[in-house]
Amino acid sequence: AQKVTQAQTEISVVEKEDVTLDCVYETRDTTYYLFWYKQPPSGELVFLIRRNSFDEQNEISGRYSWNFQKSTSSFNFTITASQVVDSAVYFCALSEAGDNNNDMRFGAGTRLTVKP
Amino acid sequence: DSGVTQTPKHLITATGQRVTLRCSPRSGDLSVYWYQQSLDQGLQFLIQYYNGEERAKGNILERFSAQQFPDLHSELNLSSLELGDSALYFCASSVGAGFGYGYTFGSGTRLTVV
Repeated sequence: AQKVTQAQTEISVVEKEDVTLDCVYETRDTTYYLFWYKQPPSGELVFLIRRNSFDEQNEISGRYSWNFQKSTSSFNFTITASQVVDSAVYFCALSEAGDNNNDMRFGAGTRLTVKP
Repeated sequence: DSGVTQTPKHLITATGQRVTLRCSPRSGDLSVYWYQQSLDQGLQFLIQYYNGEERAKGNILERFSAQQFPDLHSELNLSSLELGDSALYFCASSVGAGFGYGYTFGSGTRLTVV
């Protein structure tokens, strides 16, 4: 079963627009972590944020903000005033306490293109 | 620079061949994870090592194997290569063995099997 769903395969916006990337997860654990990673065209995976299941506070870091809602099992990511350099594939991931594999389950990713 | 070093960056080889991918984790990290990223399968967990011991196995084929050495670097061996093994292979490291630590990824090795 798909643990992490990123329904938006591709999004295209014009520079300075705000954009929200959706992430819906599925778990029976009460203890888990959620992550967002960025994969720019160069290919590396860059860590953006980690949030544990007991902390539902929204977080803002510069132009980036994250909205965690346990009631809807969502951990959405918003980029405000997007820039061309934000163009990348963004991955949401889940790590569960009860997962014997200790691995991180990634969504399929959302490709964001920011046009000048 | 993430601190996780993967070599080589690119590898082109023929079907049936064997290759070794190398990963040096970030200083202080004891866990190494290997992931495969292909176009149709996304990011798939292969295997985890913690302080030299295999800790967890994911969707790793029998033709693939890995190990972590006393200096904590890790190698992923891929043998009897098939066209479908062409992918980006990532190594990641974390300080602990359990969930929730979050990973630091290397820049990946792009394997092309022709």
